[in-house]
Amino acid sequence: DGGITQSPKYLFRKEGQNVTLSCEQNLNHDAMYWYRQDPGQGLRLIYYSQIVNDFQKGDIAEGYSVSREKKESFPLTVTSAQKNPTAFYLCASSTGRNSPLHFGNGTRLTVT
Amino acid sequence: SQQGEEDPQALSIQEGENATMNCSYKTSINNLQWYRQNSGRGLVHLILIRSNEREKHSGRLRVTLDTSKKSSSLLITASRAADTASYFCATGGAGSYQLTFGKGTKLSVIP
Repeated sequence: DGGITQSPKYLFRKEGQNVTLSCEQNLNHDAMYWYRQDPGQGLRLIYYSQIVNDFQKGDIAEGYSVSREKKESFPLTVTSAQKNPTAFYLCASSTGRNSPLHFGNGTRLTVT
Repeated sequence: SQQGEEDPQALSIQEGENATMNCSYKTSINNLQWYRQNSGRGLVHLILIRSNEREKHSGRLRVTLDTSKKSSSLLITASRAADTASYFCATGGAGSYQLTFGKGTKLSVIP
């Protein structure tokens, strides 16, 4: 089945450590996205990538970094510079502009 | 940035009743999309309506769009317990990759 795989489902880290969240898709979509969701809130865009080797900052990019070396993969690193990293992180992909997003099932990151 | 805001924040209905959720936004859009999220899961795309469309149907879902009022509504008819979820609207601008999501409506359907 085609889809988006995020791993791990739950992640625990100590404050001050960088952590990388994995996102892989086999939908052959060009565009990929990372969103952050806090309790009772909507989704906020962290980064997006329109094509391999290219990515743009979203609304809340500070403290995060990404890479897009392969079409299928768009990993997100939460750095120690992110002041409030505990959240639910969602990866998505789409065929292009103004297209529906296909989401993974998320990674819940807890930093203590 | 454009932002959808859903209303009400929470809605509780009996199975078989209709559920209506509303979304308002602030600037011009290319399209408006509705998504469903079950607890602890990713979002699932339900329906997309373009700015030149007024109404769209998909199964038990009916979406309307009023660009003059910058608002949209999602109607779920004959609700089922399995419809219990949070529902989000998201707006996209012309030529944009970015979708801006509202905070969602939490729907509870009581069997």
